[in-house]
Amino acid sequence: GAGVSQSPSNKVTEKGKDVELRCDPISGHTALYWYRQSLGQGLEFLIYFQGNSAPDKSGLPSDRFSAERTGGSVSTLTIQRTQQEDSAVYLCASSHRLGNTEAFFGQGTRLTVV
Amino acid sequence: QKEVEQDPGPLSVPEGAIVSLNCTYSNSAFQYFMWYRQYSRKGPELLMYTYSSGNKEDGRFTAQVDKSSKYISLFIRDSQPSDSATYLCATLDDYKLSFGAGTTVTVRA
Repeated sequence: GAGVSQSPSNKVTEKGKDVELRCDPISGHTALYWYRQSLGQGLEFLIYFQGNSAPDKSGLPSDRFSAERTGGSVSTLTIQRTQQEDSAVYLCASSHRLGNTEAFFGQGTRLTVV
Repeated sequence: QKEVEQDPGPLSVPEGAIVSLNCTYSNSAFQYFMWYRQYSRKGPELLMYTYSSGNKEDGRFTAQVDKSSKYISLFIRDSQPSDSATYLCATLDDYKLSFGAGTTVTVRA
């Protein structure tokens, strides 16, 4: 596709359930980033991938969060045992190379934990 | 202290007015400064970026960076109702973007 695609667009889940959020980056982009946007915290960095490797996981809020990327393309962010404070918009971005000033964002997945 | 501070507004202006948006940042090592525009329920889109100090102009938009005061500005001339959005300033450190809180701007027709 022409842009970064995220699915689902919206997800409502019960507290304690696991969720998977998917990101399809722009074709040929080697770097992929996950951010979280919430009312109280603004946009915060979670994790990045260079190829399939995620060298720095320190931005993930807790050990309930994990992410992987396969084939240098699709990435999945998994949240286990969801809590209400996980409710936010999860945004994925990709860029041609790591640290490129032109990172393109997807439309986000709006997660609501009830 | 957050790395980038931005007044969340909201800011409401009449059509045709100049919109002035500002941010401050804390780390003097930052070299790249960005402005993103985000429409409701959409992802942020890059408007423009500036390297180091100075001005950059793109159509009705002008970005300014003053590294001596750690101040970032965006000016929108001849504002249009279609400019109504949230504007986020950001700095780039290696691979990580640090965002301000975003300022919500409404341009009244």
